[in-house]
Amino acid sequence: EAGVTQFPSHSVIEKGQTVTLRCDPISGHDNLYWYRRVMGKEIKFLLHFVKESKQDESGMPNNRFLAERTGGTYSTLKVQPAELEDSGVYFCASSPLSGGPNEQFFGPGTRLTVL
Amino acid sequence: GEDVEQSLFLSVREGDSSVINCTYTDSSSTYLYWYKQEPGAGLQLLTYIFSNMDMKQDQRLTVLLNKKDKHLSLRIADTQTGDSAIYFCAENPNQAGTALIFGKGTTLSVSS
Repeated sequence: EAGVTQFPSHSVIEKGQTVTLRCDPISGHDNLYWYRRVMGKEIKFLLHFVKESKQDESGMPNNRFLAERTGGTYSTLKVQPAELEDSGVYFCASSPLSGGPNEQFFGPGTRLTVL
Repeated sequence: GEDVEQSLFLSVREGDSSVINCTYTDSSSTYLYWYKQEPGAGLQLLTYIFSNMDMKQDQRLTVLLNKKDKHLSLRIADTQTGDSAIYFCAENPNQAGTALIFGKGTTLSVSS
C-alpha cells in the first residue's frame, strides 16, 4: 500500500512568487492534515480536512495560504505571495475516519525555501 | 496553553539506554505519541499510550506516563546507530480526528 506522498520534495522560490504544494493521502483516508515545521521549532498544525471539507483551519497563518481538497482525494496548499518567513518543511498527514488513537501517517514533507 | 516541551539533544553510546523526556500541558489529552523522523524522511509513529495507562512496552521501547506531572518519557533499550533520528513527542488534546500538538523534537545521536 502506498504511503502519503508529497510533491515537490524541495522548492526554492523568490519572495513574492507563488508556490503550490501537493499531497496525496493514503487511499481511503478521509482525514487529511497539513503541518509546518520552521527550522528548529515545533511542528505546527495548519489545517484539517475531512473529505473535501475544511474541519479546522485555525492554524493557517494568514490569507496568503490557501488549501483545497477537491473531490476529497489529494490536497493542494498554495502560498501566494510567498514571504521569507514561509520557509520551512510542510508535512501532510492522513488518517482514517475512526475512533481510537488517531494514528496519523505522515508524508516525507516539502522543504520550501523563500529567498 | 498548548505547549509540549522536550530537551533538544541527547547523545548516547551504542548499547546504552536512551531516555527522552517530554512534558505536556493539556490534561485532557486522550493519547500521547512518540514519532521518529530519520534524515530525509517523514514522521513515523513509533508508539502511543492511552492516557489511563502508566506504562507501555513494545520490544526495545518503553513509554512511561505520569499524568499527575504531565510527563511522558521514551526509553530505548540497547540503543543502536540506526536509532539516530529526531524524536517528537505529541499530544492529541481533542477528540480523535483533530490536530496533534508537537514538541520541538529531540535529536538523538548514537555513537559507536
